[in-house]
Amino acid sequence: EDQVTQSPEALRLQEGESSSLNCSYTVSGLRGLFWYRQDPGKGPEFLFTLYSAGEEKEKERLKATLTKKESFLHITAPKPEDSATYLCAVQVYGNKLVFGAGTILRVKS
Amino acid sequence: KAGVTQTPRYLIKTRGQQVTLSCSPISGHRSVSWYQQTPGQGLQFLFEYFSETQRNKGNFPGRFSGRQFSNSRSEMNVSTLELGDSALYLCASSPLRASDQETQYFGPGTRLLVL
Repeated sequence: EDQVTQSPEALRLQEGESSSLNCSYTVSGLRGLFWYRQDPGKGPEFLFTLYSAGEEKEKERLKATLTKKESFLHITAPKPEDSATYLCAVQVYGNKLVFGAGTILRVKS
Repeated sequence: KAGVTQTPRYLIKTRGQQVTLSCSPISGHRSVSWYQQTPGQGLQFLFEYFSETQRNKGNFPGRFSGRQFSNSRSEMNVSTLELGDSALYLCASSPLRASDQETQYFGPGTRLLVL
């Protein structure tokens, strides 16, 4: 069965304290791995798509990497506005995405 | 370019009623997918429509159905509502050109509360 596991469930950081979020997956055929950010009461906002092991993408303070078994979302020098739930999803067939439970990130100033 | 829009944003229904939710994809996007988000189960795939045809379906009962119109707009319907159907219903669209490896962009969701 296709499965996506995110860790930690919650993460509290001080402003400027860098860290990483993990997304491990077990799928029959990975067609793409996606990272989204979701603020309370809103829909997920697209961040990155990764298609093959070794691929990396960057955007401002965020960097996503992909291996054959997992993906990391690195957050460098986070700010309070980076506080959100970060969702990882894998595309398994067609346009079906299987999501992890998410990591709730809180950045305190 | 305008994003994915969903209407209504909030709904309150009672058990046994039915509900129809609407989604307008990003202009030029041909694929529309629906997801249910609850605190206990997270985001779960309901179904996907492309060219007015259901392409994929998740593990939800037949009470959940959908359709897509020729302008790519989509609706989903839930009949005989149950308390457990209370959730945030999210619509996502993607261009779906030559490859299936395309990003899905989500709308703001419709918050459904079943009493």
